[in-house]
Amino acid sequence: NAGVTQTPKFRVLKTGQSMTLLCAQDMNHEYMYWYRQDPGMGLRLIHYSVGEGTTAKGEVPDGYNVSRLKKQNFLLGLESAAPSQTSVYFCASSSSLRYNEQFFGPGTRLTVL
Amino acid sequence: GQQVMQIPQYQHVQEGEDFTTYCNSSTTLSNIQWYKQRPGGHPVFLIQLVKSGEVKKQKRLTFQFGEAKKNSSLHITATQTTDVGTYFCAGRPDSSYKLIFGSGTRLLVRP
Repeated sequence: NAGVTQTPKFRVLKTGQSMTLLCAQDMNHEYMYWYRQDPGMGLRLIHYSVGEGTTAKGEVPDGYNVSRLKKQNFLLGLESAAPSQTSVYFCASSSSLRYNEQFFGPGTRLTVL
Repeated sequence: GQQVMQIPQYQHVQEGEDFTTYCNSSTTLSNIQWYKQRPGGHPVFLIQLVKSGEVKKQKRLTFQFGEAKKNSSLHITATQTTDVGTYFCAGRPDSSYKLIFGSGTRLLVRP
């Protein structure tokens, strides 16, 4: 039981390049989330999903796209990376939208030059 | 927009001293959660508070939810070096199902 896994762990991009971050969970959770964490700013919600095939915008969605083709996977895409997207990205999942804890993956540290 | 403010930003204590971090929300919360993130790690769930005035304890950690359900605190008694990390509160406003994270309090403990 791996919980929530994320790939890659680290990545360096040049401005304008694209990439996809993969999140996978083996807990059969309906709800999945992508956050970014910047120094002194806590975690901010980028996008989330309430089930397979559905996605919704969070607090800071601009510059990102997501897809949830399979229940266990949630992909975060950067179409044209910008230095402002340098951050640590965390994926999380939960079994309930309102009351249950969120389980976080180990994070992806992304640097955009 | 809806915000959850957390103070202090940093706290450096001597091992054995107590530590408290506070969260305040601009709106009423349906529940509040607390997470701990070790240096280089990911947030790990500690506890959830749902009822007005609720107090929960986990060994040396005491969590409180305010009567108005707009504030919360985490108190650690007699800190240990294993308590080092950043503590986040995360509130869920009544009008939303999204968790709003505070900016975190980073705790450093001198042995």
